Amino acid sequence: AQSVTQLDSHVSVSEGTPVLLRCNYSSSYSPSLFWYVQHPNKGLQLLLKYTSAATLVKGINGFEAEFKKSETSFHLTKPSAHMSDAAEYFCVVSEGSGYSTLTFGKGTMLLVSP
Amino acid sequence: DAGITQSPRYKITETGRQVTLMCHQTWSHSYMFWYRQDLGHGLRLIYYSAAADITDKGEVPDGYVVSRSKTENFPLTLESATRSQTSVYFCASSVGLTADQPQHFGDGTRLSIL
Repeated sequence: AQSVTQLDSHVSVSEGTPVLLRCNYSSSYSPSLFWYVQHPNKGLQLLLKYTSAATLVKGINGFEAEFKKSETSFHLTKPSAHMSDAAEYFCVVSEGSGYSTLTFGKGTMLLVSP
Repeated sequence: DAGITQSPRYKITETGRQVTLMCHQTWSHSYMFWYRQDLGHGLRLIYYSAAADITDKGEVPDGYVVSRSKTENFPLTLESATRSQTSVYFCASSVGLTADQPQHFGDGTRLSIL
C-alpha cells in the first residue's frame, strides 16, 4: 500500500526567501512521485514528477525536488519565493512505473508575505 | 481551446435530490477520474475509467454512480444526495497507462447539499 505525508499544513515565508515543503512517502514498490499546485478556485497543475530517472527533478516556475530513497522523502524547494507562489501544494505518490492510481497528501498551504 | 471542462462550477441542492456533475475533455485521453476534495483529506478518488464503458471504483465510491458512453465525457451522479457529500469535486484525465503520465485537472465543481 502507498501513502504520503506532508509534514506541514501551512508554511509562511517572505518574498525572496527560500521555500521548503516537506513530503515523506511509503510505497511497497519503486514509486513515482509528483508535486501539484492548486491556486484558489482552480484545479491542480503538475509542478514536477519523479519516475526513477534523475533523483533531482526540476519543474516549472523555478521549483525542484529531490528524491531520497534512504529517507523516503521528496521535498519541494525553490530558492526565492514570489508572491504568485502562494497556493496549496500536494505531494502525490503512485506505485511503480506501471499503472496505479494516485494517492494524495493532505496538502501544504504556502503563504508568501511582502 | 483544448482542455477539461467541468459543469456546473457551483451547485446547491437539497438532501435526497439527484444531481449530476459533468466532465468533458477534448484531448481524447483514455483515462478519466473523479475526485472529491475535503479539508484535511486532500483529494480522494471516487471512480475512474480506462476507456468508454470501462469504469472502476476508487477509494470512496459509495453513493456515487458513473458512466462513460463516450471517450470525452465522464459524468458523476449522486443518486440521493446527502450532506456528507458536500465537497469540491474534480475531474481529471490522462493519456496513458503508466504512472508517469500526468493527470490534467478541471477547475472543479463546488457542491453544497443542504
